[in-house]
Amino acid sequence: KAGVTQTPRYLIKTRGQQVTLSCSPISGHRSVSWYQQTPGQGLQFLFEYFSETQRNKGNFPGRFSGRQFSNSRSEMNVSTLELGDSALYLCASSSQGQKLVDTQYFGPGTRLTVL
Amino acid sequence: GENVEQHPSTLSVQEGDSAVIKCTYSDSASNYFPWYKQELGKRPQLIIDIRSNVGEKKDQRIAVTLNKTAKHFSLHITETQPEDSAVYFCAAFRGSQGNLIFGKGTKLSVKP
Repeated sequence: KAGVTQTPRYLIKTRGQQVTLSCSPISGHRSVSWYQQTPGQGLQFLFEYFSETQRNKGNFPGRFSGRQFSNSRSEMNVSTLELGDSALYLCASSSQGQKLVDTQYFGPGTRLTVL
Repeated sequence: GENVEQHPSTLSVQEGDSAVIKCTYSDSASNYFPWYKQELGKRPQLIIDIRSNVGEKKDQRIAVTLNKTAKHFSLHITETQPEDSAVYFCAAFRGSQGNLIFGKGTKLSVKP
């Protein structure tokens, strides 16, 4: 099976702009989680989608939002970008079938730089 | 909420030595504990995981132990090789919340 893919791989934006990142999970996986990775804060959970519904949400401001489509692909949007939003944004997919917990597989990430 | 502490933040060993990374968690409802390896510029890759009904799991040179009473789990790498050099992250999964909480990471350097 193909792995988790993310587009674009790199983005440069300026403060105040908005950005949309895309994630395609492993075929058959229905859960997509998003994480922000920075040198100072490590990997922080943003939100998780399952069957087009946001199931869990981390402690990020409302400028961070997401959605999931019927084919399980997911997008996250960041509005009114701030310098502190510069980070590697990772998505991870899991099958989340009958088990309560399933292994999460990460995509390569989108490196966002805000100038 | 859940908090995962990881130590040490950096670890340097000689090739062939063992490396141990320790993590503690706070939420007793956590039931799944994966370890990820992230090489520079690459995605985190799962290297081993353990569930709360198991005390120890081994895969070749890598092993993980879990002490539910003390709420800590550890990664053990034996016979380290230069290619083991990377950042290692532990994580705890809260079934009630449905998300992974990560430790801050350990940068492991294996010197030839």
